[in-house]
Amino acid sequence: GENVEQHPSTLSVQEGDSAVIKCTYSDSASNYFPWYKQELGKRPQLIIDIRSNVGEKKDQRIAVTLNKTAKHFSLHITETQPEDSAVYFCAASSNYGGATNKLIFGTGTLLAVQP
Amino acid sequence: DSGVTQTPKHLITATGQRVTLRCSPRSGDLSVYWYQQSLDQGLQFLIQYYNGEERAKGNILERFSAQQFPDLHSELNLSSLELGDSALYFCASSESSGGNQPQHFGDGTRLSIL
Repeated sequence: GENVEQHPSTLSVQEGDSAVIKCTYSDSASNYFPWYKQELGKRPQLIIDIRSNVGEKKDQRIAVTLNKTAKHFSLHITETQPEDSAVYFCAASSNYGGATNKLIFGTGTLLAVQP
Repeated sequence: DSGVTQTPKHLITATGQRVTLRCSPRSGDLSVYWYQQSLDQGLQFLIQYYNGEERAKGNILERFSAQQFPDLHSELNLSSLELGDSALYFCASSESSGGNQPQHFGDGTRLSIL
């Protein structure tokens, strides 16, 4: 069935360092990969997404890379700041011929940025 | 503010009871998705509606049901509640059903079963 694995489950970095979170998906039909940031007690917020026709996408300090052959995608955060501390979720979706784009989520990574 | 409105924010009830969670999507969005977030199961897709019709079902229990009304708001009904149903329930919306449109989440309803 559909499955998304996410590693690591926790990540602690020093302010200014880079953080990398990796995900692997099982459904080869997956073609949309969003990343969400969730602060404690709040809603998941979409921070960046990538579609399968693109290998890399960047938005300021955040970048996502996709390797369709290996079914891997990763989130890279550079120059981390304390306000980056949160739980990050990856997700994968196949649009199933246009019928739906339900999201299958990874298990989350708790990122702690130490000042 | 995502533009997705969920009510109530908190709900406390007892086992065996029935509750209704409500979601209003962002203006212009036709699709509504329901997700359950619990400590042991993570974020799990429950069900999706598009323009009033059910489009996809995930791991949704038979005790749970949902619908989307002509004004596009959606309700998730949970019945015969059990302790294990305690969780955060999120609604998300997107413009369309397929096409890999971004989904924007509401603030959630925290359900506590005593």
